[in-house]
Amino acid sequence: AQSVTQPDIHITVSEGASLELRCNYSYGATPYLFWYVQSPGQGLQLLLKYFSGDTLVQGIKGFEAEFKRSQSSFNLRKPSVHWSDAAEYFCARSYNNNDMRFGAGTRLTVKP
Amino acid sequence: DGGITQSPKYLFRKEGQNVTLSCEQNLNHDAMYWYRQDPGQGLRLIYYSQIVNDFQKGDIAEGYSVSREKKESFPLTVTSAQKNPTAFYLCASRGAGTVIANTGELFFGEGSRLTVL
Repeated sequence: AQSVTQPDIHITVSEGASLELRCNYSYGATPYLFWYVQSPGQGLQLLLKYFSGDTLVQGIKGFEAEFKRSQSSFNLRKPSVHWSDAAEYFCARSYNNNDMRFGAGTRLTVKP
Repeated sequence: DGGITQSPKYLFRKEGQNVTLSCEQNLNHDAMYWYRQDPGQGLRLIYYSQIVNDFQKGDIAEGYSVSREKKESFPLTVTSAQKNPTAFYLCASRGAGTVIANTGELFFGEGSRLTVL
């Protein structure tokens, strides 16, 4: 089945520490992959996307993600987390029939 | 400014009532989507539409209905057949993307929270 998996439901990191959020996808030739962020009670905002080319993608707010075909992964990283990064993060994949499927999300808590 | 407007932001419904959630976009996007969000389950696709007068069921379409009579509008009706309608509903739209199809990201509205009393 076509799916997106985010193995970590909740992650807590200290402010200033590095962050990595995991995302795995299943099936498919060329995956089109996205990371979104959601603040409580709000819609989702795009952080970055990958569809071809350089496998290391830079996004907004200092985030980056690396596409690894051999591991079917598209992990999101940030070298130094800020308190304002506390939110829920969603990995998503676009399929050829134009629909978009999301992972279950990872909630990030930032400790002072 | 261009964007997606969902209304109402909060809605309360009695059991057995149908309700309609509005979604309007002025981004000139062809594709529009409805997702349902429940804690711990991420976003689940209800319906999507790639073009006016056409739409497809997503993973959890039962108990919902949509229409796409205009490019700008994609209302969602939560019918009395939906057994557990209390949730946060998100509407999104998507342009044609770049040269390669399906690479465009979704643009989201602020969401509508439906509570069944």
